Amino acid sequence: GNSVTQMEGPVTLSEEAFLTINCTYTATGYPSLFWYVQYPGEGLQLLLKATKADDKGSNKGFEATYRKETTSFHLEKGSVQVSDSAVYFCARTNFGNEKLTFGTGTRLTIIP
Amino acid sequence: DVKVTQSSRYLVKRTGEKVFLECVQDMDHENMFWYRQDPGLGLRLIYFSYDVKMKEKGDIPEGYSVSREKKERFSLILESASTNQTSMYLCASRPQGPGTGELFFGEGSRLTVL
Repeated sequence: GNSVTQMEGPVTLSEEAFLTINCTYTATGYPSLFWYVQYPGEGLQLLLKATKADDKGSNKGFEATYRKETTSFHLEKGSVQVSDSAVYFCARTNFGNEKLTFGTGTRLTIIP
Repeated sequence: DVKVTQSSRYLVKRTGEKVFLECVQDMDHENMFWYRQDPGLGLRLIYFSYDVKMKEKGDIPEGYSVSREKKERFSLILESASTNQTSMYLCASRPQGPGTGELFFGEGSRLTVL
């Protein structure tokens, strides 16, 4: 079936460190891929997306590239800030884009 | 701005009570979803609806039902709440058509069943 596997947390980094959160997906169909972010006490909001192979999604300094050959969509940021502390979810569409399947989430804490 | 509103941010109920979680969206979206969020399990789909009065089971529908009487409103019902239904419940919506599949989420309803 369709699934998403993402790096388990929690992840703790110092401010200005480089961030990578790994995400891989099952290679069924031609999914769109997403990263959602959940700040404390809030719902999920879309961070970035990519709809086909080799697309790069980017937003707020975060980037992720749709890699079909490795079935991956790793999230990266060159220099994290305290305000980036949140839970990050990787997700993929299922056939027909009817539903999203989410990873288990990665809690990120940035310390000053 | 897109808005999905969940009626209750925090609820405390007793085992066996009937619980209603309400969700309203103002974007005229056809599709609406209910997920539950648990640590280490991520988001799991309970039910979704692609039109008024239409519903489809998600991955974990047991113990839940839904109602979609109007396009903008999608309700999640726990007929007889149990302690293992203590969780964060997230409502989401998106427009019809293939699009990109992006979902728009509400802020969540944290339910505690005692």
